[in-house]
Amino acid sequence: ELKVEQNPLFLSMQEGKNYTIYCNYSTTSDRLYWYRQDPGKSLESLFVLLSNGAVKQEGRLMASLDTKARLSTLHITAAVHDLSATYFCAAPAYTGTASKLTFGTGTRLQVTL
Amino acid sequence: NAGVTQTPKFQVLKTGQSMTLQCAQDMNHEYMSWYRQDPGMGLRLIHYSVGAGITDQGEVPNGYNVSRSTTEDFPLRLLSAAPSQTSVYFCASSSTRDASSYNSPLHFGNGTRLTVT
Repeated sequence: ELKVEQNPLFLSMQEGKNYTIYCNYSTTSDRLYWYRQDPGKSLESLFVLLSNGAVKQEGRLMASLDTKARLSTLHITAAVHDLSATYFCAAPAYTGTASKLTFGTGTRLQVTL
Repeated sequence: NAGVTQTPKFQVLKTGQSMTLQCAQDMNHEYMSWYRQDPGMGLRLIHYSVGAGITDQGEVPNGYNVSRSTTEDFPLRLLSAAPSQTSVYFCASSSTRDASSYNSPLHFGNGTRLTVT
């Protein structure tokens, strides 16, 4: 059974600082997804990482995937308050007919002034 | 664009009551799914469907039923509500039969916050 673990679970950081969120998954997967959730809101897709070594960047966020290590990272550069949210990674578990996404427990990011 | 629409937004039930959470999408997506979100546990898959007439169980299916009579709708039924089902429920859809489609990540509805007393 696929397990997806994120750390840290909670991250408080000052504006302007850099930090990395880690996402480990337990079984082989060729892709990884990152989502963002604002408090009381739905989830929105941030990145889709499709292969080993994939790197995607959007603004101050950069995500990467190492399928051999079963590890994805979400790097935050020079954090700003608008990045405060909960970030989820998700990996697919394949069945005979389709795949299902298994989510990590989420990392709640709080950016302070 | 409506996207994925969930109703109601909030619901309070008494233990033992039944109800249906509605989910509709207007994007002609084949794949639809239901997740529940609980503090510290992330999102857990309840049921999913890869097309009309086809459903399957996810990680936590007990106490819930689903059906998929049309491409657009995927209702979630609570047969006899229990306090353990207090949660936020999200419906999500994708354009292919595969939840990990490379060109269509899951599109989420705005959620239904359910409290069972």
